[in-house]
Amino acid sequence: QSVLTQPPSVSGAPGQRVTISCTGSSSNIGAGYDAHWYQQLPGTAPKLLMYGNSNRPSGVPDRFSGSKSGISASLAITGLQAEDEADYYCQSYDSSLSAYVFGTGTKVTVL
Amino acid sequence: QVQLQQWGAGLLKPSETLSLTCAVYGGSFSDYYWTWIRQPPGKGLEWIAEINHRGSTNYNPSLKSRVTISLDTSKNQFSLRLSSVTAADTAVYYCARGEEVAGHWYFDLWGRGTLVTVSS
Repeated sequence: QSVLTQPPSVSGAPGQRVTISCTGSSSNIGAGYDAHWYQQLPGTAPKLLMYGNSNRPSGVPDRFSGSKSGISASLAITGLQAEDEADYYCQSYDSSLSAYVFGTGTKVTVL
Repeated sequence: QVQLQQWGAGLLKPSETLSLTCAVYGGSFSDYYWTWIRQPPGKGLEWIAEINHRGSTNYNPSLKSRVTISLDTSKNQFSLRLSSVTAADTAVYYCARGEEVAGHWYFDLWGRGTLVTVSS
């Protein structure tokens, strides 16, 4: 039921910048619902990384930034580090489904 | 520091009922929605249901006919029941706390997850 589409994988060398897109529709992100982002390290529970499109919870490095435009949201990681290797998911609310929805997930690999 | 601790049966047979409980330690039970989310092995996340301290509930329509979420405010616990399980319900089930900013909800605290396997 993934109505938010993300690229399956992105990769970059240490220190580089990578971006992850999250494309929705007029019933979720395009309807004005915020996008939120989670980081899931291997074998662990997801962790909130970004809320309200571009707000970092306490403790999240400022290397992570978020934005939203139209029906899409994006997460950027600058100064990529080995510890950033994880799966990343976006999340929003869908008014047609009357449900919170997650993205398809993106695996970030640090080369 | 608020923590979520969850438990429940990890192996079920088809047609049985899944039952999980999540306890909230070290924080308020009010002002949040308490949530269940699942993740099939190697796949993405799916929101299941939520409940607040007043007992107001919301369910994912795709699972609503089989799901019941409840709470015990005296113990700061909330529970999930999923009936008539099949192999498709095999997943890691997470409890989580729903937080709201300006009317937009997200999940800021997660339990460690419980792997539930449905197999005959």
